Amino acid sequence: KNEVEQSPQNLTAQEGEFITINCSYSVGISALHWLQQHPGGGIVSLFMLSSGKKKHGRLIATINIQEKHSSLHITASHPRDSAVYICAVSKGSQGNLIFGKGTKLSVKP
Amino acid sequence: EAGVVQSPRYKIIEKKQPVAFWCNPISGHNTLYWYLQNLGQGPELLIRYENEEAVDDSQLPKDRFSAERLKGVDSTLKIQPAELGDSAVYLCASSSQGGDTGELFFGEGSRLTVL
Repeated sequence: KNEVEQSPQNLTAQEGEFITINCSYSVGISALHWLQQHPGGGIVSLFMLSSGKKKHGRLIATINIQEKHSSLHITASHPRDSAVYICAVSKGSQGNLIFGKGTKLSVKP
Repeated sequence: EAGVVQSPRYKIIEKKQPVAFWCNPISGHNTLYWYLQNLGQGPELLIRYENEEAVDDSQLPKDRFSAERLKGVDSTLKIQPAELGDSAVYLCASSSQGGDTGELFFGEGSRLTVL
């Protein structure tokens, strides 16, 4: 079993829909990252969080440390949100980032 | 300010040939990472530098892969000889904080195709 699991693997939505991508992990972490990767493009860091909730524009990320779970929400989705969203966890100063396999999101107009 | 710069963006070579990738991190970022990403998978760490020191190279296939960051700034990743299975995207990332507690900044990646 992977230490970082994302669901769903693939997600298709209509423009305007509210989207949720989930990330579960099985190790103790110091921080969790949400990253966005467009086709053929590099990876952009969306959030780094260790507790609670963060919001940036239409994106919201939450984390529940006790349940070892995080969610990424996109409100009023748009076709330009189509990308792969990757969850990664940091195990602290002695460890490296562990990446999930990503969730491929496609938002149709 | 410029982000993480990688070159080349694309490289096609025949198997058994050598190849090198270059990365210039964000100015002042002490931590530099090289990742390998296969299609449909998340990035996998190859090597991590803190300044010029390779602090984690446990996942680097040392029989054919090598990396250097001589002055603690830019870095080169080399594969010699390349194999078909090395076809992937090689990502460079940097962070201002060591220990994976800082925000990561990624380059556009170098896509390698080995024929």
